[in-house]
Amino acid sequence: NAGVMQNPRHLVRRRGQEARLRCSPMKGHSHVYWYRQLPEEGLKFMVYLQKENIIDESGMPKERFSAEFPKEGPSILRIQQVVRGDSAAYFCASSPPLQGFYTQYFGPGTRLTVL
Amino acid sequence: GNSVTQMEGPVTLSEEAFLTINCTYTATGYPSLFWYVQYPGEGLQLLLKATKADDKGSNKGFEATYRKETTSFHLEKGSVQVSDSAVYFCALSGGGGYNKLIFGAGTRLAVHP
Repeated sequence: NAGVMQNPRHLVRRRGQEARLRCSPMKGHSHVYWYRQLPEEGLKFMVYLQKENIIDESGMPKERFSAEFPKEGPSILRIQQVVRGDSAAYFCASSPPLQGFYTQYFGPGTRLTVL
Repeated sequence: GNSVTQMEGPVTLSEEAFLTINCTYTATGYPSLFWYVQYPGEGLQLLLKATKADDKGSNKGFEATYRKETTSFHLEKGSVQVSDSAVYFCALSGGGGYNKLIFGAGTRLAVHP
């Protein structure tokens, strides 16, 4: 059973460009979470999605950031018009489609560098 | 709101030394508590967890006990190895009905031969 997959592992963008980060959850998992880790800091929750639904986006910046998890295909975190402050590691986690809290399994992350 | 406070690092130890990394939390409801480990350049791996008061999570020689009375979940290992060098994150979830994980700032551990 493959783990959580994220791509690309490293992404370089110039200021003003768009960044698209992809996350494929573990097989059988339908809950996806995105977290951001700024240099030398802990992870901060961004958004929690289930298939075709955003459940909690309280950690998402109000502008330029969006996330989706379509019925088919990976979850996408999209950052428009990137700025240097967006440089960070972005981690995706997934958990099973069950009520209550279940352990989240993390992907290897995408390290975004904005020049 | 919910929060996690971790002992600041870096922690530097010699091989076979005893390790303690302190973690305290603030939460509503009855959270689950976790320790995750991050090796250089990698994602987070679940190290251990505890879902209710007095539970002890353990894995790979690491242990942590969920102490509701002191709101703590300290990580311990009796004899560390060089391969344990990593960043350790304490986290909570489920308090107040939320599924998101709330992380501490992380504690970097360096073990020298």
